[in-house]
Amino acid sequence: EAGVAQSPRYKIIEKRQSVAFWCNPISGHATLYWYQQILGQGPKLLIQFQNNGVVDDSQLPKDRFSAERLKGVDSTLKIQPAKLEDSAVYLCASSIGEGGWSYEQYFGPGTRLTVT
Amino acid sequence: GNSVTQMEGPVTLSEEAFLTINCTYTATGYPSLFWYVQYPGEGLQLLLKATKADDKGSNKGFEATYRKETTSFHLEKGSVQVSDSAVYFCALILVQGAQKLVFGQGTRLTINP
Repeated sequence: EAGVAQSPRYKIIEKRQSVAFWCNPISGHATLYWYQQILGQGPKLLIQFQNNGVVDDSQLPKDRFSAERLKGVDSTLKIQPAKLEDSAVYLCASSIGEGGWSYEQYFGPGTRLTVT
Repeated sequence: GNSVTQMEGPVTLSEEAFLTINCTYTATGYPSLFWYVQYPGEGLQLLLKATKADDKGSNKGFEATYRKETTSFHLEKGSVQVSDSAVYFCALILVQGAQKLVFGQGTRLTINP
């Protein structure tokens, strides 16, 4: 079974530029998550989708971050414009159902973003 | 609020040593508890979990017991191997309410041969 795919794996941009990350979850997984992992910290949930609807985006900085999950499969996360403090690893995860305590989340390898 | 605190790293041990990584939590409700592991160049993987008090999660020789009285979920392994070198994250999720994973800051473990 293929795992969660993410691209690109690495990205370097200058501040005020825009960037987009792509995630392809495990086939059949209804729930998709985007996390931000700043160096030395644990991952922090940015947004959670159930199929193509948003379940939780309370920690997403909506003035510069946006995410979509068209057709309930792939997802993209965009930052526009980027700030230095956005330098982090962006993780995508998926699970069969909603309710993380009962359904294991499977993580992709992440995209390491460096903003200079 | 809900939070997880792990022991400071990095931790360096010799092969076959005994490992303990401490984890304590604060939760407004009744959480399930997890340990995730991140090997170099790979994504986070679930290592073990426990969903109620006094449950013991175990996998690959690692164990952790859900201690409600001390709000702890310490990770242990009796004899570590070089291949256990990784970053370990303790995490919780509430069974009720906002069901989002809350992670600790991670503990980097290096095992020397």
